[in-house]
Order: sequence, then C-alpha cells, then structure tokens
Amino acid sequence: DTGVSQDPRHKITKRGQNVTFRCDPISEHNRLYWYRQTLGQGPEFLTYFQNEAQLEKSRLLSDRFSAERPKGSFSTLEIQRTEQGDSAMYLCASSLGQGIGEAFFGQGTRLTVV
Amino acid sequence: RKEVEQDPGPFNVPEGATVAFNCTYSNSASQSFFWYRQDCRKEPKLLMSVYSSGNEDGRFTAQLNRASQYISLLIRDSKLSDSATYLCVVNSGTDKLIFGTGTRLQVFP
Repeated sequence: DTGVSQDPRHKITKRGQNVTFRCDPISEHNRLYWYRQTLGQGPEFLTYFQNEAQLEKSRLLSDRFSAERPKGSFSTLEIQRTEQGDSAMYLCASSLGQGIGEAFFGQGTRLTVV
Repeated sequence: RKEVEQDPGPFNVPEGATVAFNCTYSNSASQSFFWYRQDCRKEPKLLMSVYSSGNEDGRFTAQLNRASQYISLLIRDSKLSDSATYLCVVNSGTDKLIFGTGTRLQVFP
C-alpha cells in the first residue's frame, strides 16, 4: 500500500499522559499536514511541513502540542499532558508540494482521553 | 469570521434531485479551491478542483466567483451513493489547505 499511513489507528489514554502519533506520507510527497477533526466539524489545520521544515505552527492548539519531521519523511505529532478535550481524530495528509492541490489523507488516529 | 464557511446542512434530497452547496472564504489572497468528499468515519478525499472558468465532472459542477469569494458545487441526478459530507477547501496562498465545516448530504430513495 503506497498511501498515507498513520499509527496507531486508535489510542486510549488517561488524562495527563503523553501520546505520540506517527504519519508516513506518500514517498515522493514533500508536503505533510496535520489536522484535527471532531464530530460534525471539518478538519482543523494544525501545522504543516515542507520536507523537514515546519512552515507554520501557530495553529497548534496549545504548547502541549508539537510536531516534527526530522528527515523530511515520516512525521510525529506529540500531545503532552493530555486533556479530555484533546479527544478527536488526528488526520495526516501529504501532497506533492507547492501549488499542487490534492492532498491525500491517512485514515487517522482516533484519540480518546479518559 | 471563519476562513471558510459552509452551511452544515443536512440536505435531505430524493434520488434524482439536483442539489447545490455554497461556500464562502475570507482570504482574498487564496489561490486555489477544492471540494473534498468525506464518507462517515472515513478520511476526506478529493472530489474536484474548482477553476475560475467553472468545471464539470460528470454530474458534478463546481464554480468559483473570486469577486464575491464564493464557491459552489452542483450535483445533478443525485444518487444514493452521493450521501456524504462535502468539504469546501481553500489553499490559503501558502499551500495551507483550510477546510470548511462540511455540508452533509443525505439522498433518500
């Protein structure tokens, strides 16, 4: 399968724990996006990368959220000290890059904070 | 004001009906526009790009009005399989894709 893959698909964690999600984009794609989606809402932009460079992180929901893409390939999204309000679907997408519109999404990681 | 606004619906239409969705965006520097489709509990997938001249793909027609910062999607001859959420997406000009809330469509027999 050469699509975008995310791991894990589901994560249940206790409030206050740290969680990390991984995204493997389509191999030739240099743009990588992270979104959060809650029920009844569209995907909410969090951050994105061009290769290993993080182009914007101001939309990350708080300083508990951080993302990396150290070698310009896979990316991780970490949430520290999780709260119940962090429960959501976290979606990763990748695209070929500048000016190329189609972004391909992974199936997402569903986070439940209990 | 939200960057991309859509009527969340739901739109409940019978098979064979024509239905139209609208979307407005706030950033006049936005460069490209798309409609994505999202099925229940699935990831979003590109339905079609939206060009200034308008474009058509089978039963689907998308139009863009840059002056009014308005995008539309028309679905003709609705099928049961068209039931989904339709997401309006705007490329902000820095290749940041911003999604609307989505419009839910339910086609009934």
